[in-house]
Amino acid sequence: GDSVTQMEGPVTLSEEACLTINCTYTATGYPSLFWYVQYPGEGLQLLLKATKADDKGSNKGFEATYRKETTSFHLEKGSVQVSDSAVYFCALRRDTSYGKLTFGQGTILTVHP
Amino acid sequence: EPEVTQTPSHQVTQMGQEVILRCVPISNHLYFYWYRQILGQKVEFLVSFYNNEISEKSEIFDDQFSVERPDGSNFTLKIRSTKLEDSAMYFCASGPGQGNSYEQYFGPGTRLTVT
Repeated sequence: GDSVTQMEGPVTLSEEACLTINCTYTATGYPSLFWYVQYPGEGLQLLLKATKADDKGSNKGFEATYRKETTSFHLEKGSVQVSDSAVYFCALRRDTSYGKLTFGQGTILTVHP
Repeated sequence: EPEVTQTPSHQVTQMGQEVILRCVPISNHLYFYWYRQILGQKVEFLVSFYNNEISEKSEIFDDQFSVERPDGSNFTLKIRSTKLEDSAMYFCASGPGQGNSYEQYFGPGTRLTVT
């Protein structure tokens, strides 16, 4: 079945450091890929998405590129801020538009001043 | 900005009791979902609901679970006889069902503790 694997966490960085959170997936067909973020006490919010190979999703300085050849969708940011501290979830959805999301285990990011 | 709300934020119940988790999806959304996350594990899909019926469910969603949209605004998840292993964070989500945005909008979750 479908699955998503994220790098082990938690991740602790200093402000302005570079961030990479690895995500790889296993799925049949051509899934859409997502990064969700969960701030303390809040629900999951869509951060960015990519719906086909080589698409790059971007938002709030975060980027991720859909790499079909390596089945990856790594999340990157060049300079993190304290306000980026949150839990980040990689997810995929099969090609049906309103199908279920399959999530990775989440990565806790803590950014220190 | 419209948001999905869930009540209660934390529910404590004894094993064998029935619980109902409540969600108010975003108005005019047509697709509804429940997910759960056991502490330290992945967020798992439970069920999706469209046009007043279940459109997909996971293996987790067995006969002790049911969903309902009783009044056109609420979306509920009922667990008939809770087990210790049902302790988890339960997330409700909704989706608009039109346009190019297929995003699922999530609520803040209900933490269910079964003792």
